[in-house]
Amino acid sequence: ETGVTQSPTHLIKTRGQQVTLRCSSQSGHNTVSWYQQALGQGPQFIFQYYREEENGRGNFPPRFSGLQFPNYSSELNVNALELDDSALYLCASSLEGGPNTEAFFGQGTRLTVV
Amino acid sequence: GEDVEQSLFLSVREGDSSVINCTYTDSSSTYLYWYKQEPGAGLQLLTYIFSNMDMKQDQRLTVLLNKKDKHLSLRIADTQTGDSAIYFCAERNTGFQKLVFGTGTRLLVSP
Repeated sequence: ETGVTQSPTHLIKTRGQQVTLRCSSQSGHNTVSWYQQALGQGPQFIFQYYREEENGRGNFPPRFSGLQFPNYSSELNVNALELDDSALYLCASSLEGGPNTEAFFGQGTRLTVV
Repeated sequence: GEDVEQSLFLSVREGDSSVINCTYTDSSSTYLYWYKQEPGAGLQLLTYIFSNMDMKQDQRLTVLLNKKDKHLSLRIADTQTGDSAIYFCAERNTGFQKLVFGTGTRLLVSP
């Protein structure tokens, strides 16, 4: 049990729709990163939020956006969904600037775009 | 650039040792991690090693790092059927928590 929770666990959306995924970070952690894991692949970094600001971004288009709240929880928003957006979306919680270098992952949200 | 490679599949018998290998390209990688993923689940952090170390042991797990060859391995002693899963190695640089993952090695442990 990592203390990182994601909701919902599963989601089905139609192409062109918008989706919001949520992540609650582990207590004491100030950084949330989001990853996309396509079937049979390793997770790919989408972006990271630190103290409510985007702190780095991977090779994803602007229709992938995010927020981090004062309690360090986070949202991932995807607009204009495409079939290729179907994947497991993982969030990872960590403490930036602290002695502990570990990133703990939630169980993920399985998004299916039809 | 950043690239992490792993072999796709490993099959062992229960009680044997398993060795999962990983190579990476980023010479500035500071931390290297091993994660375990069971079907339909998220990633479980198993262990990590700092780049100035050669070896780290944690119960049944031994991590070996050859920084010159950019080669990382995970040895699981006395492998059990419950160890069947996909194992990912990942690298990151100091000061930025982005993880770069390999494609994963599927470990199958047979009785």
